[in-house]
Amino acid sequence: SAVISQKPSRDICQRGTSLTIQCQVDSQVTMMFWYRQQPGQSLTLIATANQGSEATYESGFVIDKFPISRPNLTFSTLTVSNMSPEDSSIYLCSGRVGGNEQFFGPGTRLTVL
Amino acid sequence: KQEVTQIPAALSVPEGENLVLNCSFTDSAIYNLQWFRQDPGKGLTSLLLIQSSQREQTSGRLNASLDKSSGRSTLYIAASQPGDSATYLCAVRGTGTASKLTFGTGTRLQVTL
Repeated sequence: SAVISQKPSRDICQRGTSLTIQCQVDSQVTMMFWYRQQPGQSLTLIATANQGSEATYESGFVIDKFPISRPNLTFSTLTVSNMSPEDSSIYLCSGRVGGNEQFFGPGTRLTVL
Repeated sequence: KQEVTQIPAALSVPEGENLVLNCSFTDSAIYNLQWFRQDPGKGLTSLLLIQSSQREQTSGRLNASLDKSSGRSTLYIAASQPGDSATYLCAVRGTGTASKLTFGTGTRLQVTL
């Protein structure tokens, strides 16, 4: 298994600013992912964080808006850039262990005013 | 494109009842299926992982079954408790090492005293 922590746990931000979310895993994982969960909805995959190279983004998500870094096997960051109220969501980091089970962090609750 | 549906969307049961949550998926070419629990405002907790070659998995009062050919999985909760109140999500992973999880819409469970 893997224990995943995220910082910050929540934040309230002003329109037009950026927020960087950090994700730390307590063990090496083969893959890391970033998800968004809008109020009352299920999870939507933003991108797969690739170690040492550019992330792989899902349709509807772009690097300029959601730049992602993954400098090693246990750490990744997601930045939400030039925020608008529509970006208010829970952002979740996830790691896949040994190609099988996937684990999630506690989430970062973002409110944009 | 894989689509995952969970029925019912919400369920309220008295404490002590046994219950079944349903998950169906449109593409039977899956690698595995995972059941998660999500408490309000929190991240996801992995409950059970079923590989495509397996028929069921058990953990404590939880039993998950998989019928890949019919595109169905069920999560059976025995002797429900108020602490089981949460949203339950199923997610299927397609074939291929880089494949992503596709999430269902969730079943919101309330266990009353």
